[in-house]
Amino acid sequence: AQSVTQLDSQVPVFEEAPVELRCNYSSSVSVYLFWYVQYPNQGLQLLLKYLSGSTLVKGINGFEAEFNKSQTSFHLRKPSVHISDTAEYFCAVGGTSYGKLTFGQGTILTVHP
Amino acid sequence: EAGVTQFPSHSVIEKGQTVTLRCDPISGHDNLYWYRRVMGKEIKFLLHFVKESKQDESGMPNNRFLAERTGGTYSTLKVQPAELEDSGVYFCASTPSVGDRRSSGRAHEQFFGPGTRLTVL
Repeated sequence: AQSVTQLDSQVPVFEEAPVELRCNYSSSVSVYLFWYVQYPNQGLQLLLKYLSGSTLVKGINGFEAEFNKSQTSFHLRKPSVHISDTAEYFCAVGGTSYGKLTFGQGTILTVHP
Repeated sequence: EAGVTQFPSHSVIEKGQTVTLRCDPISGHDNLYWYRRVMGKEIKFLLHFVKESKQDESGMPNNRFLAERTGGTYSTLKVQPAELEDSGVYFCASTPSVGDRRSSGRAHEQFFGPGTRLTVL
């Protein structure tokens, strides 16, 4: 069985400040890890993914995440956020190539001017 | 390339009624998934189709939910009869098949639709 915990339900931050959204997972098998973002009234959009290889993954819109196997974490970071980054962010884990995703509870990032 | 589309975007029904949600995946995508997010909770997997076959339906909550994908194209999710706890946002996602050249570089990415918000009163 797999599970994902997003440690913060809401993260308020000022524009141009750095941000980290935390994600921990548990799994008995090798995993694929994802961060999705949902802007208001839109579907989920993939930000980045870790499948294998380098533990530092770069995604769209300046986001990056680091896979830490020993700490079973996959935290999302951005060095300088914009107002337009205000959205809900989801961490997810997949255990097989085309199988289901298990999601965390979501983190609402609010960027203030 | 058109994305995953879902219809309706919103549905408000009364307890005991029937509702059918529709998902049109990206053209040519063999894998189709249904997920649900109940308010305040995480997004949870419901089931996975490969073409017209149910690959994994371990997340279907009970027999009031019926999913179909006739012909391996669009899918419907019927809730009959609807209960209050069925309220939430229902997401559909799709991915191409293994070996599909269009999946190159987008491996393991599930493409999500905007969701259908279902409210049961």
